[in-house]
Amino acid sequence: SQQGEEDPQALSIQEGENATMNCSYKTSINNLQWYRQNSGRGLVHLILIRSNEREKHSGRLRVTLDTSKKSSSLLITASRAADTASYFCATDPDSNYQLIWGAGTKLIIKP
Amino acid sequence: SQTIHQWPATLVQPVGSPLSLECTVEGTSNPNLYWYRQAAGRGLQLLFYSVGIGQISSEVPQNLSASRPQDRQFILSSKKLLLSDSGFYLCAWSVRRGGVGYTFGSGTRLTVV
Repeated sequence: SQQGEEDPQALSIQEGENATMNCSYKTSINNLQWYRQNSGRGLVHLILIRSNEREKHSGRLRVTLDTSKKSSSLLITASRAADTASYFCATDPDSNYQLIWGAGTKLIIKP
Repeated sequence: SQTIHQWPATLVQPVGSPLSLECTVEGTSNPNLYWYRQAAGRGLQLLFYSVGIGQISSEVPQNLSASRPQDRQFILSSKKLLLSDSGFYLCAWSVRRGGVGYTFGSGTRLTVV
């Protein structure tokens, strides 16, 4: 079942600009994860934020988590053409570790 | 280091033919294993997951089956493919207790004609 809902569904920005994607979910979670998928490829894990964390950084990525609003955001700073991909959020709602996936945001970086 | 191998990368099969997709993991023991299907431009649909040899859980009733004959081998099968089985199939593994991300294979693009 789909729990995470990303918005926007698609985002097109100029290279060098910042890109922000959002994810909302419905149940309590252990953690929330973001993944990147290049066209026709498998998904790559980007970052995991635990339910007791509010913000996490990894290189040009910044993830925030607001458990009171059941939402998360992924910020990619100083975007590059290579960032063009689909981005998915996934939540880990219980100890069985069956991630629940959103439908993804398609990000296009224009050179 | 841990790696995951999934093959073939692309497959074109006629309706009614059998299917066997294989996924193997290296560098870890007792992984959780997953098969997902992804329709074009859509999110992931969990098909099967396994927490151990011979232990398969199915999430969606369908024309497919899965088996785990060895700890690090996960196979997706069908006896007779349908047109609706076309899609992008992804294998993934995770540690048993969670807390880290999934690792995905490179995917198999299946076209049933």
